[in-house]
Amino acid sequence: DAGVTQSPTHLIKTRGQQVTLRCSPKSGHDTVSWYQQALGQGPQFIFQYYEEEERQRGNFPDRFSGHQFPNYSSELNVNALLLGDSALYLCASSSTGGFQPQHFGDGTRLSIL
Amino acid sequence: QQQVKQSPQSLIVQKGGISIINCAYENTAFDYFPWYQQFPGKGPALLIAIRPDVSEKKEGRFTISFNKSAKQFSLHIMDSQPGDSATYFCAASIGDNFNKFYFGSGTKLNVKP
Repeated sequence: DAGVTQSPTHLIKTRGQQVTLRCSPKSGHDTVSWYQQALGQGPQFIFQYYEEEERQRGNFPDRFSGHQFPNYSSELNVNALLLGDSALYLCASSSTGGFQPQHFGDGTRLSIL
Repeated sequence: QQQVKQSPQSLIVQKGGISIINCAYENTAFDYFPWYQQFPGKGPALLIAIRPDVSEKKEGRFTISFNKSAKQFSLHIMDSQPGDSATYFCAASIGDNFNKFYFGSGTKLNVKP
């Protein structure tokens, strides 16, 4: 049973560029959340997708956008990259319903030069 | 503002000792409190979780103690082992359908042989 998979593992971009990160949820999960984890910090919630719609959003600018596909996989897009966007981006999946644990992938390490 | 405050930032424990990590929250609507373990280069992995209707939950060497009136909860790792050396995060969420998680800032645990 495959867990949450993310691609790519590492990515290097320059300021002003755009990036797309990808996530496949754990089998049986229909909800995908994205988190940003700065070095030495806890994950910060970006947004969550369910039924191909953004259901909740954290305190992140509109430069951060996403998408969920009919097979529940998801993409995170970041436009106009800033140096401060350098972080580990984590995808977590869960089942619908209350008190469902989130299962995390190993993340994409994004470095902005 | 930080929804979940975690301490200490780092912790050194001798093999066989007890590791204790504390978290505090303000939002009384939180009703699901998981703990995650993260190794370098990996995503957070769920360790144990508790709901406020119980004061303690034990799974193997890991115990969560929960104090609803004080709005505090803690993770106890009994008989700590070098393999437990990792960063630990507490989190909190409102157990509705969307499970948005707020994470603490993390505790780096080092268990000395």
